[in-house]
Amino acid sequence: DQQVKQNSPSLSVQEGRISILNCDYTNSMFDYFLWYKKYPAEGPTFLISISSIKDKNEDGRFTVFLNKSAKHLSLHIVPSQPGDSAVYFCAASRMWYSGGGADGLTFGKGTHLIIQP
Amino acid sequence: SQTIHQWPATLVQPVGSPLSLECTVEGTSNPNLYWYRQAAGRGLQLLFYSVGIGQISSEVPQNLSASRPQDRQFILSSKKLLLSDSGFYLCAWMPTGRGGNSPLHFGNGTRLTVT
Repeated sequence: DQQVKQNSPSLSVQEGRISILNCDYTNSMFDYFLWYKKYPAEGPTFLISISSIKDKNEDGRFTVFLNKSAKHLSLHIVPSQPGDSAVYFCAASRMWYSGGGADGLTFGKGTHLIIQP
Repeated sequence: SQTIHQWPATLVQPVGSPLSLECTVEGTSNPNLYWYRQAAGRGLQLLFYSVGIGQISSEVPQNLSASRPQDRQFILSSKKLLLSDSGFYLCAWMPTGRGGNSPLHFGNGTRLTVT
């Protein structure tokens, strides 16, 4: 049972344009969501997060949007740059005040973003 | 600042051989520690986590085991590797007591190929 789904295995975007990566979740107990970026042969690096009390969080070129009713979140990268080419993982968990514990994050399968020059 | 070290970076082992992957964290005390695996075409799967010395929780039944002999050391082991154990193994940490509202910080991973 996949609780976090990234339905696009890959996405190709032209340099300078907007990249939009999507993620859906099924577990309504999740209230903390994160995006990670991963280069080949390296560990994932944390990009941006959002808690369910917000519907948008912005950090430079990266913005995460959360639609709780649709159980959907997206990551927007504007403008896209060649260095953004990587695999992006969506992850989710419960906040500690929601009964979340130390049992880590649940990840999607990732989306390979390719920025075309 | 905190750093996480994981070794070796790559490993090729024959079927039936033992395995030991090591992970250490510096610059923090009593971290929560995690082992994840990324198999080909799949996401990141949580294998084990630990909230303290000697405390191990297993998420997926398999022929792997984990141990935490020291506060900032986490070891992934197997007595006999299977072909299906091939994958990219990642160690991660999180500040203690903040489960669910703090990012995980990952090491650079170990690429294990079982032949």
